[in-house]
Amino acid sequence: GAGVSQSPSNKVTEKGKDVELRCDPISGHTALYWYRQRLGQGLEFLIYFQGNSAPDKSGLPSDRFSAERTGESVSTLTIQRTQQEDSAVYLCASSSFHRAGTEAFFGQGTRLTVV
Amino acid sequence: GNSVTQMEGPVTLSEEAFLTINCTYTATGYPSLFWYVQYPGEGLQLLLKATKADDKGSNKGFEATYRKETTSFHLEKGSVQVSDSAVYFCALRGSGGSNYKLTFGKGTLLTVNP
Repeated sequence: GAGVSQSPSNKVTEKGKDVELRCDPISGHTALYWYRQRLGQGLEFLIYFQGNSAPDKSGLPSDRFSAERTGESVSTLTIQRTQQEDSAVYLCASSSFHRAGTEAFFGQGTRLTVV
Repeated sequence: GNSVTQMEGPVTLSEEAFLTINCTYTATGYPSLFWYVQYPGEGLQLLLKATKADDKGSNKGFEATYRKETTSFHLEKGSVQVSDSAVYFCALRGSGGSNYKLTFGKGTLLTVNP
């Protein structure tokens, strides 16, 4: 597609349920990022995938959070046993690896509300 | 690790005022530097970038110069408009290996009043 696509755009879930968020990066982009943005806050890094390298998971806040990526395509971010503090906008971005100065392109985000 | 520190907001200006949002960074090697903007209700989009020392990025009247000696990338605009009201994020992308990930500052909310 033309840009980074995220689904769903909005998700309301009950506390304790698992949720799965999806990101379709721009075709050919080898790098993929997940960030979390709480209301009125900055971007909190979660995880970074780069090609076939081991992902950088250093930003995942707890073991309830996990992410997968199949090759250089779709990624899913899974949050198990959701808590109210997980409510936020989850942003995905992708970029080309080939040059350090290459920008990242962001999706519109998934707004997660845990009730 | 890499880090970005930017001016805390919110910043409120009158239309046609001069804008500066400070950004400093810590990184090894030669990072690339970016300013992203998030308009109300929209996603993040790149505003400008610079990839090496003394480069000046510019777009929509905004400018920022990559200063390696002061590890800074301050955003400036000579005359702001109401339509510039948004959250501005400074970011860096390191060089080499896992340093390629993007690191963001906390964002600065700018409100421009008519």
